[in-house]
Amino acid sequence: DGGITQSPKYLFRKEGQNVTLSCEQNLNHDAMYWYRQDPGQGLRLIYYSQIVNDFQKGDIAEGYSVSREKKESFPLTVTSAQKNPTAFYLCASSISRDHQPQHFGDGTRLSIL
Amino acid sequence: AQSVSQHNHHVILSEAASLELGCNYSYGGTVNLFWYVQYPGQHLQLLLKYFSGDPLVKGIKGFEAEFIKSKFSFNLRKPSVQWSDTAEYFCAVTQNYGQNFVFGPGTRLSVLP
Repeated sequence: DGGITQSPKYLFRKEGQNVTLSCEQNLNHDAMYWYRQDPGQGLRLIYYSQIVNDFQKGDIAEGYSVSREKKESFPLTVTSAQKNPTAFYLCASSISRDHQPQHFGDGTRLSIL
Repeated sequence: AQSVSQHNHHVILSEAASLELGCNYSYGGTVNLFWYVQYPGQHLQLLLKYFSGDPLVKGIKGFEAEFIKSKFSFNLRKPSVQWSDTAEYFCAVTQNYGQNFVFGPGTRLSVLP
């Protein structure tokens, strides 16, 4: 079955450490997204990519970085510059940027040690 | 900046009760509107969407939503809820067919058997 795979499900980060969250899709979708979910704030867009080798900042990109070297992969790095990284991170994809996010991963919960 | 608000943080209903979850958005131009649902332990799923035409939109599992442009609202309704409707519900808005996709903070619905 086609879908989005996020890993790991749970991740712990030490102070000053960079961590990378994986997102892979086998839907042949052009567009991919990273959202952050905090209680009471809903989903906020971190980064999105419309096509391979292209990505754009979302509303809360500071302290994060992404890459899109392959169509099926859109990893998110939470850098040490992100001062409040504890959250639930959701990856999503859509056929193109002109469509709403159609498929979502299971999410990764990131916590600080 | 565009924003989406959902009136209730947590709604508790008994089975067979009627449901209405409020959603209001701030953008005054052309919008596309969505409701997503996240059942416990599952992916976020699209429940229904409005792009144009009949402002009363029917979605899956007996849900419907009404777009009232003058009130900037897109409330979700269901005449008779079931225990299996227990989930978190997110309203989302885009402008210009896919750009600036914004989620509301979510409403948790608990249905008591």
